[in-house]
Amino acid sequence: GESVGLHLPTLSVQEGDNSIINCAYSNSASDYFIWYKQESGKGPQFIIDIRSNMDKRQGQRVTVLLNKTVKHLSLQIAATQPGDSAVYFCAEGGYSTLTFGKGTMLLVSP
Amino acid sequence: GAGVSQSPRYKVTKRGQDVALRCDPISGHVSLYWYRQALGQGPEFLTYFNYEAQQDKSGLPNDRFSAERPEGSISTLTIQRTEQRDSAMYRCASSSGQSRATGELFFGEGSRLTVL
Repeated sequence: GESVGLHLPTLSVQEGDNSIINCAYSNSASDYFIWYKQESGKGPQFIIDIRSNMDKRQGQRVTVLLNKTVKHLSLQIAATQPGDSAVYFCAEGGYSTLTFGKGTMLLVSP
Repeated sequence: GAGVSQSPRYKVTKRGQDVALRCDPISGHVSLYWYRQALGQGPEFLTYFNYEAQQDKSGLPNDRFSAERPEGSISTLTIQRTEQRDSAMYRCASSSGQSRATGELFFGEGSRLTVL
């Protein structure tokens, strides 16, 4: 759902479960997408990126899926760990702009 | 340095005062970016540099905000005649590439500005 002010969408999972975080982007001309992780009190940290000529890209325990038809991006985290607890932002980029979404908080309980 | 370094980490100032926030990017990184992040929101673009050249300042809210990177390394974001609405976390990021549309951005810990 949409976040309003301090009320971030929150996903709560159990340790070991797979997590899926979703993001809708707005600009159909965007050709580059990135996921960032932000732990409390820290700056955003790059996780994985994908270009618009791909629909899937895998990293270590993470997979990004891109559906350009519906302008939707998702981040899948396999075997979620307590250390994955953070706010996750998707960002879209054209040549001159990197625009961040509002973020989703992931809470992992042991 | 090992990472992007920002100073001061915390700045409290009175309305009407000028503030200068400093960013020391990762050594050798060509591009440097300034973002502003409100609590619970994603970073909002302000401006960016390739080397010493300011490539895009379209995100600066008004002419009280300015930034420079005179020698292509350290950058300063200056806010003149601060207002309470300027209170936010100001984040700097750097990248080895010349376009923020590609490549990984490395963010600093930020400078939290509070305007009373």
